[in-house]
Amino acid sequence: AQSVTQPDIHITVSEGASLELRCNYSYGATPYLFWYVQSPGQGLQLLLKYFSGDTLVQGIKGFEAEFKRSQSSFNLRKPSVHWSDAAEYFCAVGLSFGNEKLTFGTGTRLTIIP
Amino acid sequence: DAGVIQSPRHEVTEMGQEVTLRCKPISGHDYLFWYRQTMMRGLELLIYFNNNVPIDDSGMPEDRFSAKMPNASFSTLKIQPSEPRDSAVYFCASSLRGGSTDTQYFGPGTRLTVL
Repeated sequence: AQSVTQPDIHITVSEGASLELRCNYSYGATPYLFWYVQSPGQGLQLLLKYFSGDTLVQGIKGFEAEFKRSQSSFNLRKPSVHWSDAAEYFCAVGLSFGNEKLTFGTGTRLTIIP
Repeated sequence: DAGVIQSPRHEVTEMGQEVTLRCKPISGHDYLFWYRQTMMRGLELLIYFNNNVPIDDSGMPEDRFSAKMPNASFSTLKIQPSEPRDSAVYFCASSLRGGSTDTQYFGPGTRLTVL
């Protein structure tokens, strides 16, 4: 079965600094990969997704992620974080076509300090 | 569009009581998903529907949980009887066509506390 690992439970970054959140997956074929963000008291919102093609994908709010097959990773990056980026971030993997299920990682909580 | 609507936003109940959570998906979306989020287990898929028909309920923890979708604009998740370990945030999500590539849109969640 597929699985997703987010090794960092909590990350603290200064406002204006760069950010990288790690995500590793386990799946026998090329997965479909997603990053979602959850602001306090809110539901999850899609930041970006990867299916195929260019391994660097751009998302909303200035985020990007890079798919690296050799490392089974799909890390999320942002060059300069804003205080409003404080939230919980979830990586998710979907199976090949025909299966609607997503498997989510345990999340990384991002704290921004002034 | 108003997005996925869930009610109530917060529910506090006593052990043994019946709890009903409600969800209105985005109009035109064919798929509806129910998730549960806890600190211990993270975000888990409980059940999902396609065109009002349950497709996969393998994530439903036990018989105390049941879900229905009587029409395209309404779904319920019922817990009877409720137990303290059911305390969690329950999310409803919908997607247009389903499939792993389709974006799921999440509601704000219902925070359930069972005393």
